[in-house]
Amino acid sequence: NAGVTQTPKFRVLKTGQSMTLLCAQDMNHEYMYWYRQDPGMGLRLIHYSVGEGTTAKGEVPDGYNVSRLKKQNFLLGLESAAPSQTSVYFCASRTRLYEQYFGPGTRLTVT
Amino acid sequence: DQQVKQNSPSLSVQEGRISILNCDYTNSMFDYFLWYKKYPAEGPTFLISISSIKDKNEDGRFTVFLNKSAKHLSLHIVPSQPGDSAVYFCAAPNSGYALNFGKGTSLLVTP
Repeated sequence: NAGVTQTPKFRVLKTGQSMTLLCAQDMNHEYMYWYRQDPGMGLRLIHYSVGEGTTAKGEVPDGYNVSRLKKQNFLLGLESAAPSQTSVYFCASRTRLYEQYFGPGTRLTVT
Repeated sequence: DQQVKQNSPSLSVQEGRISILNCDYTNSMFDYFLWYKKYPAEGPTFLISISSIKDKNEDGRFTVFLNKSAKHLSLHIVPSQPGDSAVYFCAAPNSGYALNFGKGTSLLVTP
């Protein structure tokens, strides 16, 4: 049981480049989430999904898109990266209970 | 506006003593609270939770207290150990889908 995995672990992008972060969970969870963590800001919700084929905006969705084509995967896309998107990105999943299970994070630097 | 607040960015405690981490919230509709622990370069991990119908929940060395009238909760760690050094986040579910996180308190337990 791997839990929640994230790919890649690190990435450096130039301004304007695009990339996709992949989150996978093997716990058959319905709900999945993407957060970003910045120094002194805690975790802020970007987008979330309550089931396969559904997505919704969180607190800071601008500049990001998401897709949930398969229940076990939740993709976060940056179409045109900006330095303000330099952050650590965490994916999480949960069942109907409140506890969320987090992946190890992706550290993204945009220069 | 942040609905979950952790006003102490950092706390230093000697090994063997009690660590008390505090959290305040503004939304009286919150009915469940969670504490997460985060080590550097790892994702947050669930530590302990409490329902609003209780005022205390204990799990080994960790106890969470809830004071609904004051909209305040606290996490007690007794006795504190060097391995407890981490960032602790307080969180509350928002509309049942996502978690509102505080900004975190960095705990350092010194030998």
